Amino acid sequence: DIQMTQSPSTLSASVGDRVTITCRASQSISSWLAWYQQKPGKAPKLLIYKASSLESGVPSRFSGSGSGTEFTLTISSLQPDDFATYYCQQYNSYSSLTFGGGTKVEIK
Amino acid sequence: EVQLVESGGGLVQPGRSLRLSCAASGFTFDDYAMHWVRQAPGKGLEWVSGISWNSGSIGYADSVKGRFTISRDNAKNSLYLQMNSLRAEDTALYYCAKAADKWELLLSAFDIWGQGTMVTVSS
Repeated sequence: DIQMTQSPSTLSASVGDRVTITCRASQSISSWLAWYQQKPGKAPKLLIYKASSLESGVPSRFSGSGSGTEFTLTISSLQPDDFATYYCQQYNSYSSLTFGGGTKVEIK
Repeated sequence: EVQLVESGGGLVQPGRSLRLSCAASGFTFDDYAMHWVRQAPGKGLEWVSGISWNSGSIGYADSVKGRFTISRDNAKNSLYLQMNSLRAEDTALYYCAKAADKWELLLSAFDIWGQGTMVTVSS
């Protein structure tokens, strides 16, 4: 199975900061990567698909990049509504659609 | 409004069975693959199983293979997960999720999620 490793696991930041989260795949997944945001007690929300395509309705301060084994999610200017946990997910392999371990973005 | 509503969760003893259901509305159900994703209390997301739009392709995580069975009834716009031989480590909130890409067999991001149904396995 393809393993997905996110870093950092926790990130402390202030409103207005530029934030970057990294996701590494144990083998190449081309661009078959999605990013999700999850708030406490809520279902995950799709932000980015195919590594860099912004889901409809998602603010443009969110962006994704990368291909192969290394990917990033960037929030250009962190807003109060963005404090949440973020997950990456690969969908390249039929054996399993694996998620990363998550990155919690906290208020500094 | 596009909506997924899960049901069927509850408290069950180890070794017993449970069947989860997911009712879909607001989209053409039989155009999309559907998936189950779970989240143990305080933990991350784990993909459990997926089924293509025509039930021709099915996949399971290694952790549930041989114990869980996914199915769908397109006439009823419903997705199911039959869970047998339940273990304590199956305790989690189970989400139903819709594939983002029409006609894709199984490999897709998930654009719509339900609110989840809680399964607790304990004696």
